Amino acid sequence: NAGVTQTPKFRVLKTGQSMTLLCAQDMNHEYMYWYRQDPGMGLRLIHYSVGEGTTAKGEVPDGYNVSRLKKQNFLLGLESAAPSQTSVYFCASSYSTGGPPSYNEQFFGPGTRLTVL
Amino acid sequence: KQEVTQIPAALSVPEGENLVLNCSFTDSAIYNLQWFRQDPGKGLTSLLLIQSSQREQTSGRLNASLDKSSGRSTLYIAASQPGDSATYLCAVRWYSSASKIIFGSGTRLSIRP
Repeated sequence: NAGVTQTPKFRVLKTGQSMTLLCAQDMNHEYMYWYRQDPGMGLRLIHYSVGEGTTAKGEVPDGYNVSRLKKQNFLLGLESAAPSQTSVYFCASSYSTGGPPSYNEQFFGPGTRLTVL
Repeated sequence: KQEVTQIPAALSVPEGENLVLNCSFTDSAIYNLQWFRQDPGKGLTSLLLIQSSQREQTSGRLNASLDKSSGRSTLYIAASQPGDSATYLCAVRWYSSASKIIFGSGTRLSIRP
C-alpha cells in the first residue's frame, strides 16, 4: 500500500494563478482532510470530506475549493493564488469516527510546499 | 471555542533523560486525542491515539496519558535518544465536531548527545 500520496511535492505560483493539489489514498478511507501548516501555527483544517461526493469547510476555507468525485481522491484548488497562501499543505485520511479506535487514526501524506510570489 | 495548546514551543534536553511533553485543550467532551511526530520537512507520523474512555496508551518508550477533567494530556518519553529529536503535535477530536480534529502548534524537541 502506498498510503496517502500527494502531488506535486513542490510548486511555485505567481499571484493570481490557479492550481490543483491532488491527494490520493489506497486504504479505502471514508474521511479525507486538507490542512495547511504555517510556522508556529500548527496545522489548520481547510476543508474535509466524510465521503465520496461530500465536502465541508474547516477552520480556514477562504480562497480554496475542494472536490471528492472519487472515494480515493480529494482535490484542493486555488482559483487565484495569493502570497498569503504560501504554506505547506498536508492531506490526511481516516476510516471514520465510529468503530474500533484504529478507525479514528489519521494518516498523513508527505506534504506539498507551495510558494506564491 | 475549542482550542489545543502545547507549551513549551521548544525543549532541549540531554540524551538519556526522561521527559514529558504537555498538551492542554478546552472543552473536556473530547472523542479522542492523538499524538504525532513530525521530522523537519516531512509529514506527520501517528504515535499514539487515546480514546475518551482510556486513561493512557503505551508504545515502546512512549506513554501518553489523558485527564479529561483537567483538559490535559502528556506524552512521556523514557530514556530519550538523539533520534527522538522532532516536533511533537497533539490533536483533539471533540464529540460536537467529530469529523474533524484540531491541532496544537507543537513542541520542537531537541535531544543533545
